[in-house]
Amino acid sequence: QKEVEQNSGPLSVPEGAIASLNCTYSDRGSQSFFWYRQYSGKSPELIMFIYSNGDKEDGRFTAQLNKASQYVSLLIRDSQPSDSATYLCAVNMNQGAQKLVFGQGTRLTINP
Amino acid sequence: DGGITQSPKYLFRKEGQNVTLSCEQNLNHDAMYWYRQDPGQGLRLIYYSQIVNDFQKGDIAEGYSVSREKKESFPLTVTSAQKNPTAFYLCASSVGTEGTTQYFGPGTRLLVL
Repeated sequence: QKEVEQNSGPLSVPEGAIASLNCTYSDRGSQSFFWYRQYSGKSPELIMFIYSNGDKEDGRFTAQLNKASQYVSLLIRDSQPSDSATYLCAVNMNQGAQKLVFGQGTRLTINP
Repeated sequence: DGGITQSPKYLFRKEGQNVTLSCEQNLNHDAMYWYRQDPGQGLRLIYYSQIVNDFQKGDIAEGYSVSREKKESFPLTVTSAQKNPTAFYLCASSVGTEGTTQYFGPGTRLLVL
């Protein structure tokens, strides 16, 4: 079992709809969770982080964390073509230092 | 203008050659990291450093070496022992180590001639 798992996609969503990206992790002691967006050929950029169970909203983005079920999700409302990218889930697996374990990423395409 | 810089953008390595990738940050961050990304894959940790003059191996350290002589600099050397070095190399930094956000540089793409 991979430590952090994401559906690699591609996930295709019509413009204006809600895109839902999911991530599961293996270590129940994990403390912090990050979503990065990566455009083709570019480096990852931080979208959101979440530490506590529940929802965290920032503009069109909502991160949802459920530690009991060991999953974290990212919702993108009113999807735009500029949201087309690969989304990486990263988890700090409580290993002392800030060692992030990354999922393989989900490729998202927003269709105009 | 604060940030993380990596150079060069593209690097070509010949067989048996060691090459060094540069990473500099002016964010006054304590921790720095090196990751490798292969096509269609997530990031894998090579080395990380929490403080000057100290660093630890990540998950795929074999064939790589690092140094941390200055807080703002964390160069990565890809040695000839790394048999499959073609990848996108990403440097990151964070304020501290416990649960803090990592920010990435623009990356260096290494290709083998």
